[in-house]
Amino acid sequence: NAGVTQTPKFRVLKTGQSMTLLCAQDMNHEYMYWYRQDPGMGLRLIHYSVGEGTTAKGEVPDGYNVSRLKKQNFLLGLESAAPSQTSVYFCASSYHSSQGSDTQYFGPGTRLTVL
Amino acid sequence: SQQGEEDPQALSIQEGENATMNCSYKTSINNLQWYRQNSGRGLVHLILIRSNEREKHSGRLRVTLDTSKKSSSLLITASRAADTASYFCATRWQGAQKLVFGQGTRLTINP
Repeated sequence: NAGVTQTPKFRVLKTGQSMTLLCAQDMNHEYMYWYRQDPGMGLRLIHYSVGEGTTAKGEVPDGYNVSRLKKQNFLLGLESAAPSQTSVYFCASSYHSSQGSDTQYFGPGTRLTVL
Repeated sequence: SQQGEEDPQALSIQEGENATMNCSYKTSINNLQWYRQNSGRGLVHLILIRSNEREKHSGRLRVTLDTSKKSSSLLITASRAADTASYFCATRWQGAQKLVFGQGTRLTINP
């Protein structure tokens, strides 16, 4: 099993450009998450999904959109990139929390720089 | 705001010594988890402790939870160079569908 994979690994954008980050998981997890990590800070939740076709806002959703059209994929879109969105983005997935095990499995990250 | 706050922010010890990291949180939780992040990598789950548990062990890891003080500690015994990483606590609030991560403790093991 590949676990959680992220595409691309690195990207440089100019201010105002758009892009989509792809996250895929092969563990049949219901829940998927997008985080950003900035120097000296922990992970901040951008958006998450509790199942196919559903999404919800996290702590820092502004400037981002997400879609979960297939259970195994969770897409994060930047409509008009800004320098403040320079960060490392992590995707994670987990089983349904009511099953008692909500351990999150993380992808390797996407390092995004917005000039 | 961040739910979990780790202490210390950075810790440097000699190989073979024990490392202790602490996490404090603000509201009632369902469970508390510890994750490790090696430089440039994603987070890896280490251990989960539920709100009705007081202590758990996994190999060289020992986690305690004191819900009355809203705090947890992670002890790594007989540290190794490979333990050098950042360690994060994450809490699941009661009734919530997501985890909230702290800012992490950067642990350096000196050979």
